[in-house]
Amino acid sequence: KNEVEQSPQNLTAQEGEFITINCSYSVGISALHWLQQHPGGGIVSLFMLSSGKKKHGRLIATINIQEKHSSLHITASHPRDSAVYICAAFPGGSRLTFGEGTQLTVNP
Amino acid sequence: NAGVTQTPKFRILKIGQSMTLQCTQDMNHNYMYWYRQDPGMGLKLIYYSVGAGITDKGEVPNGYNVSRSTTEDFPLRLELAAPSQTSVYFCASSYSDNAFFGQGTRLTVV
Repeated sequence: KNEVEQSPQNLTAQEGEFITINCSYSVGISALHWLQQHPGGGIVSLFMLSSGKKKHGRLIATINIQEKHSSLHITASHPRDSAVYICAAFPGGSRLTFGEGTQLTVNP
Repeated sequence: NAGVTQTPKFRILKIGQSMTLQCTQDMNHNYMYWYRQDPGMGLKLIYYSVGAGITDKGEVPNGYNVSRSTTEDFPLRLELAAPSQTSVYFCASSYSDNAFFGQGTRLTVV
């Protein structure tokens, strides 16, 4: 069993829909990252969370430390949001542990 | 501030050839990592380093070597390239829960 699990693996949505991607982890962490990887490969850090909720534009990330669960929400989705979204757990100053990623496709 | 810089961006190797993927960071981060990402798959850790002079194996170290003579540089060496090493390679660095990634190196072994 992976230490970090994401769901769903693939997600197709229509433009404008509200999207949720989930991440569960089994390790103790000091922080959790949500990363975005576009076709062409570059990886960008969207959020780093250690508690609560963060918002950036149409993106919202939440984390529940007790339940070891985090969610990434996209409001009013757009085709340019199409990418792979990766959850990565940071077990306290050590190496990142990645989920397998969620391939999101938003159709116009 | 350049962040994490990887070179080259693309490379085609013949089976049995060797090459070094370069990774440099200018943020004075102690932790550095090499990951590979196969098509449609997640990131897998090859090697990591917690500081100059210290390296350790990750999940998939076979066929690779690393060194960390300085805080800034963390090169990844392929000695005898094999088709199974065709992948996209990412270097990353981290400090106090913040992680930064290079742009990736797309390697094809033919």
